[in-house]
Amino acid sequence: AQTVTQSQPEMSVQEAETVTLSCTYDTSESDYYLFWYKQPPSRQMILVIRQEAYKQQNATENRFSVNFQKAAKSFSLKISDSQLGDAAMYFCAYRDDKIIFGKGTRLHILP
Amino acid sequence: SAVISQKPSRDICQRGTSLTIQCQVDSQVTMMFWYRQQPGQSLTLIATANQGSEATYESGFVIDKFPISRPNLTFSTLTVSNMSPEDSSIYLCSGLKLAGRTDTQYFGPGTRLTVL
Repeated sequence: AQTVTQSQPEMSVQEAETVTLSCTYDTSESDYYLFWYKQPPSRQMILVIRQEAYKQQNATENRFSVNFQKAAKSFSLKISDSQLGDAAMYFCAYRDDKIIFGKGTRLHILP
Repeated sequence: SAVISQKPSRDICQRGTSLTIQCQVDSQVTMMFWYRQQPGQSLTLIATANQGSEATYESGFVIDKFPISRPNLTFSTLTVSNMSPEDSSIYLCSGLKLAGRTDTQYFGPGTRLTVL
């Protein structure tokens, strides 16, 4: 069965600094999707970034980028120039026929 | 994109009663899902809501406890039956739009359920 592991329950970063959230997954599939979702205190899940496994190029969305290492089954999220509004729970997710979420990393932004 | 709304946003219920949560999407989605999330925890998939047929339930979840309907491509309901305090949780609806190799899964704001 597929699994998603986020080994950092909580992280803190100074405002304007860069932080990297880790995620590893396990699958025997070759075609799948990976996601990072953000969940602020409002509970609304927001898609931050997505990566198709067949693409070698790392996805980028403004200040958010990923380091996708398919062979290592690693999918980390880098947030550059951290802002107070980035404070949230971040979930790494894997999908082939259905989404499986990691346990999440709570990110604190220090002013 | 898709905007998903849920009703109610929260409720406090008595043990033994049932609550039906409604999920409305502002545009057609290919698939709809229901998740449960304990505060501060990850999301657990309850079932996939299938249009016009019985939902597909994940291990540990059964239709008698969580009946689901999906009469069309934009609406679904989840009922939490014969509730106990252990059912206190946040229930989220989700819709998936497929477009070739590009797909996006959207989430509702959740329904916070407290069972006394």
